[in-house]
This record gives sequence, C-alpha cells and structure tokens, in this order.
Amino acid sequence: TQLLEQSPQFLSIQEGENLTVYCNSSSVFSSLQWYRQEPGEGPVLLVTVVTGGEVKKLKRLTFQFGDARKDSSLHITAAQPGDTGLYLCAGVGSNYQLIWGAGTKLIIKP
Amino acid sequence: DTGVSQDPRHKITKRGQNVTFRCDPISEHNRLYWYRQTLGQGPEFLTYFQNEAQLEKSRLLSDRFSAERPKGSFSTLEIQRTEQGDSAMYLCASSYNYGYTFGSGTRLTVV
Repeated sequence: TQLLEQSPQFLSIQEGENLTVYCNSSSVFSSLQWYRQEPGEGPVLLVTVVTGGEVKKLKRLTFQFGDARKDSSLHITAAQPGDTGLYLCAGVGSNYQLIWGAGTKLIIKP
Repeated sequence: DTGVSQDPRHKITKRGQNVTFRCDPISEHNRLYWYRQTLGQGPEFLTYFQNEAQLEKSRLLSDRFSAERPKGSFSTLEIQRTEQGDSAMYLCASSYNYGYTFGSGTRLTVV
C-alpha cells in the first residue's frame, strides 16, 4: 500500500516568516501534486512535479520533487495571511488515481 | 463557468434515509472520480470512471454505496440507509491525464 506522510500536521506562524512543508513516502511515484484547500471547498491544484529533482516556482511558493521521486517539499517565502489553508500532497498512482497525504493546516497570523 | 459542479452543496438527512449526489464534470474530461473527506484528513478514494465504465471501486465502499455515469457525462453517487459514519464531504473530480479539477463538494450530515 502506498502511503504519503505529511509534516507538520499543523503550522501557525507570523506574516513574513518562511516555512517548509514535507511530504514523504517509501514508494516511488511517477508524479506528485500539491493542492490547497479552503474550508468548505474542494482542493485546488497548485502544481504537478514529474521529474526527480525537479523544482517549480509559483510566485512565493517553491516545490521540489526528490531525486528518487519518493518525497517532495513545499517552501513558502514571506508568508502572507492569504496563504492560510490546508495544503495537501498527492502522489499519482495507477489509473491516475491520487494517493493523498493527511494535509498540513497552515495559519498565517497578520 | 466550465468547472466541476456538484449538487447539492449541503445535505442533512436522517439516519436510514437514502441520498443521491450529482457531479457534472468538465466536458472534455474522460475520467471522473469520487472521494470522501472527513475533517482534518486528506480525501479517500471511493470510485473512478473512465467515460461510462466504472473501472475501480474502493474496498471502503460498502454495498450501500453505488455510483453511475450513464452517458459518460454527469455522475451520481447514491448512499442507501445512511449511517452517522457517512457524514463527510463528498468530492467529485474530473481529469484528463494529470489535470485534476475538483468540485466544491457536497457536505453530508447524517443526524
């Protein structure tokens, strides 16, 4: 069974600080996705990383896929209150199904 | 709006009643997925369609749950004889390859 572990589960920091969220697995994934979810809404896809060692940037968000394609990280620079939400990683398995982490609840205090 | 639509957004039902949810995917997407999500957890896979064919069903899905996608377009998820443990957010997503788009979900509360 493929499992994804996310850490930390919860993070509360001040506006302007940097943070990193981790997503780890013992399994290899062909690709991995990061989503952001607001309360009462469905997850919204932020990025898909496909190649081992790949780094993608989305404004202040930097996503990295591990060389072995078993882990990934999301780094946010100078966090803002608008970054508050639940961040989920998901590995793409067979039949394009997603194997989800439990999420990191992020709160950015003004 | 060409996103994924789910109806209703909220449903409160009494234990033992049947409920049905609808999902309208993005029209170009051939794959449709149903997931269930409880508070503080990531989504759990329930079932998956490619066009009108239901290709996989989670072992989590008891025989009280059934899903259809009759013409390869919209899909319905029915839960019979609801139980309090069925209370959750039911999410639908459609995709073409890696490009997943989720609906806003149906929040089910069984009382």
